[in-house]
Amino acid sequence: GEDVEQSLFLSVREGDSSVINCTYTDSSSTYLYWYKQEPGAGLQLLTYIFSNMDMKQDQRLTVLLNKKDKHLSLRIADTQTGDSAIYFCAERDQAGTALIFGKGTTLSVSS
Amino acid sequence: DTGVSQDPRHKITKRGQNVTFRCDPISEHNRLYWYRQTLGQGPEFLTYFQNEAQLEKSRLLSDRFSAERPKGSFSTLEIQRTEQGDSAMYLCASSGLAGGPSHEQYFGPGTRLTVT
Repeated sequence: GEDVEQSLFLSVREGDSSVINCTYTDSSSTYLYWYKQEPGAGLQLLTYIFSNMDMKQDQRLTVLLNKKDKHLSLRIADTQTGDSAIYFCAERDQAGTALIFGKGTTLSVSS
Repeated sequence: DTGVSQDPRHKITKRGQNVTFRCDPISEHNRLYWYRQTLGQGPEFLTYFQNEAQLEKSRLLSDRFSAERPKGSFSTLEIQRTEQGDSAMYLCASSGLAGGPSHEQYFGPGTRLTVT
């Protein structure tokens, strides 16, 4: 079945780059997403990548997609304390409607 | 456009009571989704509407749960005879901006339900 796996924690220093990794199982996924969730809040759509792309850059965010290995990563350049949050990787289900989320990676940024 | 809104933001109820949550999607979005998120987990899909039609339901949506979107705008999620296991954050999302990227789901702030 469909499944999304992420490492649970990442700790970086302010100004460093952060790389959050994700693996997914459904090779037919058309879009893959990254969401950010701050404490007690809903999810904010950060970026997404279409499955025929290898890389997408959006300001400080770079998404890399390796379809062969079903591996997705999110790189945050010049990480700031305001980037501290939980980051979720998600793929669309086979019906193309629901999102399947990982358990989230907690990013902690120290100054 | 103020984004997806949900009401209430927090609800504390006693086991066995019924609760109802409301979601107002982004205007002109024709697709609406409900998810449930428990502590330490990612959101899990519950159900999906396109306009007023409920097109998909997860097996997580037991008989005690019912969702409606009567006029294709706002939606309600009702839980009857609440159980402690229903304690979670209930998230609503919408997508489907006419002429735009219909796959992007935008989430509301959620309703946190605590069943005592």
